Amino acid sequence: GAGVSQSPSNKVTEKGKDVELRCDPISGHTALYWYRQSLGQGLEFLIYFQGNSAPDKSGLPSDRFSAERTGGSVSTLTIQRTQQEDSAVYLCASSQVAGAYEQYFGPGTRLTVT
Amino acid sequence: AQSVTQLDSQVPVFEEAPVELRCNYSSSVSVYLFWYVQYPNQGLQLLLKYLSGSTLVKGINGFEAEFNKSQTSFHLRKPSVHISDTAEYFCAVDPLGGGADGLTFGKGTHLIIQP
Repeated sequence: GAGVSQSPSNKVTEKGKDVELRCDPISGHTALYWYRQSLGQGLEFLIYFQGNSAPDKSGLPSDRFSAERTGGSVSTLTIQRTQQEDSAVYLCASSQVAGAYEQYFGPGTRLTVT
Repeated sequence: AQSVTQLDSQVPVFEEAPVELRCNYSSSVSVYLFWYVQYPNQGLQLLLKYLSGSTLVKGINGFEAEFNKSQTSFHLRKPSVHISDTAEYFCAVDPLGGGADGLTFGKGTHLIIQP
């Protein structure tokens, strides 16, 4: 595709509900990243995939957060039992390989937990 | 671990004036350095990056940055700004040869262009 796409663009959910955020990276990009952008914390790195594998999940804020990537392409970030502090913009990025190559960012999903 | 400090949260500048956005980093290993720009309600776009070689790097939209290893700085400059440059600017580092830790971002600098 032309760029990284994310869906939905906006999500409003009630506290305690589960949400699933989707990222479709640029075709051929093997590395995929999830970040969270919030007023208080700025831009935080959450998790990285090389292919379908996430070597380190320690950046996820809590065990309510999980992520997977299938077929070396689409990734989903799932937040279970959402809390108000989960409200943020969730950004996805992809790059050809990890490291020096430019990360291309999607437009983000704005999550609001009421 | 790495950290990035953007010393100014907000920088007001008159149109056609020069601007410098400051970035300092700390790291126990060599890093790659990046500047990203975020326009309102949009994702991040890469302005420029330093990987190796010449310490002065040029990017899109007339921006440039200079890597100073001794001062651990990577300040962003533009000789003449335009209204369209109003945006949030983020400095970021990536461990050399890594990537698995993602980018570490500064808190951002809001560039405000005044007519």
